[in-house]
Amino acid sequence: AQKVTQAQTEISVVEKEDVTLDCVYETRDTTYYLFWYKQPPSGELVFLIRRNSFDEQNEISGRYSWNFQKSTSSFNFTITASQVVDSAVYFCALSTTYQAGTALIFGKGTTLSVSS
Amino acid sequence: DTGVSQDPRHKITKRGQNVTFRCDPISEHNRLYWYRQTLGQGPEFLTYFQNEAQLEKSRLLSDRFSAERPKGSFSTLEIQRTEQGDSAMYLCASSGGQGARMNTEAFFGQGTRLTVV
Repeated sequence: AQKVTQAQTEISVVEKEDVTLDCVYETRDTTYYLFWYKQPPSGELVFLIRRNSFDEQNEISGRYSWNFQKSTSSFNFTITASQVVDSAVYFCALSTTYQAGTALIFGKGTTLSVSS
Repeated sequence: DTGVSQDPRHKITKRGQNVTFRCDPISEHNRLYWYRQTLGQGPEFLTYFQNEAQLEKSRLLSDRFSAERPKGSFSTLEIQRTEQGDSAMYLCASSGGQGARMNTEAFFGQGTRLTVV
């Protein structure tokens, strides 16, 4: 069975703090993709990153960084020097079929509140 | 065309009525997905189209739900005899890509929020 667990329901930080959002996934497939999406109050899911199961290199994009560890089935997301505009719900998602455009399996999301 | 658009953004309906939502994907995308999101949960997959063919349906998609994508462009999702439990945000997403890059990221619309009273 495929599953994504985001154990942190809500996180509150003060601006400029670093924050890490945890994501743990389960799958028996050897080929899979992991994603992070941001959902601001407007409701639209905004794509942040996609990683495949064969690439364990960590990635940094500005203030965002992602730590993918197959050994612990985790794909954690860190925001450095958080800003109020980072306030949103963040979803981790898993996709396991390579040849077909199959669906994403989402975690329940982590609500991040950044105060000034 | 800058993104996935959905219409309407909000819909309030009485229990038992039929409703239909529309999704216009990004024009060059051949894959289209419908998801449902309830409060405090992540989106849950409902159905998937590749061009005009409906290739996958979740068991969440009861007989009261039907989706179409007649010309491989826009899609509609109809719910017949709505129930209060159908109240949710209905999200549409599209993605594209060929060959080895078929499993590309999906781009989501802003959703249609359905309230059944």
